[in-house]
Amino acid sequence: EVQLVESGGGLVKPGGSLRLSCAASGFTFRSYFMTWVRQAPGKGLEWVASISSSSTYIYYADSVKGRFTISRDNAEDSLYLQMNSLTAEDTAVYYCLRLDFWGHGTLVTVS
Amino acid sequence: DIQMTQSPSSLSASVGDRVTITCRASQGIRNDLGWYQQKPGRAPKRLIYAASSLQSGVPSRFSGSGSGTEFTLTISSLQPEDFATYYCLQHNAYPYTFGQGTKLEIK
Repeated sequence: EVQLVESGGGLVKPGGSLRLSCAASGFTFRSYFMTWVRQAPGKGLEWVASISSSSTYIYYADSVKGRFTISRDNAEDSLYLQMNSLTAEDTAVYYCLRLDFWGHGTLVTVS
Repeated sequence: DIQMTQSPSSLSASVGDRVTITCRASQGIRNDLGWYQQKPGRAPKRLIYAASSLQSGVPSRFSGSGSGTEFTLTISSLQPEDFATYYCLQHNAYPYTFGQGTKLEIK
């Protein structure tokens, strides 16, 4: 069974940092592009960043470029999102996903 | 960036109705489009991939069509569990972009 379990969310002050993790299981993690998507309270879905299977290709939304870093550890079947210089506009549920399967999300509140 | 214009933004319908949701891309995206259903407090779930292929385990009342710039999601006969918000996502080019969402409500 495919599972993606995010962790690391919480309350952080403006200007602070947070590192999200996503533990993958039930599939060959190292074979998949992985993505982070976020959803602000009551709003739609926003793509944040994607990383290729071997980390060769990395892409960011303009809204997070230079502040967020996506990375992965294929030996640990884990995906990460390092978030720096956080602002209130970064408050959202952050989802880890393959395009066909999403984790349950982790809430980041910047206040 | 590719803009995805989704319509309508909200829709009231009854159980048994046929409904159609549309996404238009600002430039051609071949068939690199998925449709997702999201219920309150839950993660999105993919219904359709490659514009018209039904995700495994998804009821056959859901269907997708289109290619290039115009795409539709059709629910042939609404069931009570289908009342949710629906999004399209283009993954033809970065940045990936979602439609604004369609909230499907019970009439």
